[in-house]
Amino acid sequence: DVKVTQSSRYLVKRTGEKVFLECVQDMDHENMFWYRQDPGLGLRLIYFSYDVKMKEKGDIPEGYSVSREKKERFSLILESASTNQTSMYLCASRLGGTDTQYFGPGTRLTVL
Amino acid sequence: AQSVTQLDSQVPVFEEAPVELRCNYSSSVSVYLFWYVQYPNQGLQLLLKYLSGSTLVKGINGFEAEFNKSQTSFHLRKPSVHISDTAEYFCAVSDLSFQKLVFGTGTRLLVSP
Repeated sequence: DVKVTQSSRYLVKRTGEKVFLECVQDMDHENMFWYRQDPGLGLRLIYFSYDVKMKEKGDIPEGYSVSREKKERFSLILESASTNQTSMYLCASRLGGTDTQYFGPGTRLTVL
Repeated sequence: AQSVTQLDSQVPVFEEAPVELRCNYSSSVSVYLFWYVQYPNQGLQLLLKYLSGSTLVKGINGFEAEFNKSQTSFHLRKPSVHISDTAEYFCAVSDLSFQKLVFGTGTRLLVSP
């Protein structure tokens, strides 16, 4: 069975802190994605990766960076968290050449 | 570039009634279309997809959608909803490379007894 896990379901951080959100998939998928979900805005793509050590900017990369050192793990980094980064963060993965993305349960991040 | 419009942010409906959730898309190239569902406190899961062939596609839990190229629409329907269908539904579009999904803003389906 396909599984995407995210390190935390809920996270509370302070403004200016460095924040790491971790995502792990056990399906040997090449492609991994980070989205943020906000009410009335749907899902917006932050970054994606199509291979180890490869990354591409999505639609809203400002204020974020990513790391993919191993195929199964894709990390989202907030270098200096700000209150406008309070959101739900969703990770997804996809096998190369196929059409379906598989999503993790999400991390609800609150920045105070 | 592609875009997706879901005009209804919320659709209230009574149990066993039919429902239609609307989705329109815009693209200058050929696209694939998807509906994802998000149950409370969960991630998204694929409900159904249109890649090619018959324009009427059936998905899980009794949902179906019809691709209409001339109207650039991909509306989701169910003839009789259940309380358990209460969730948020997202329409999404991808170009033929599947590299990126572009999501609509979502429609919250509220089913009451």
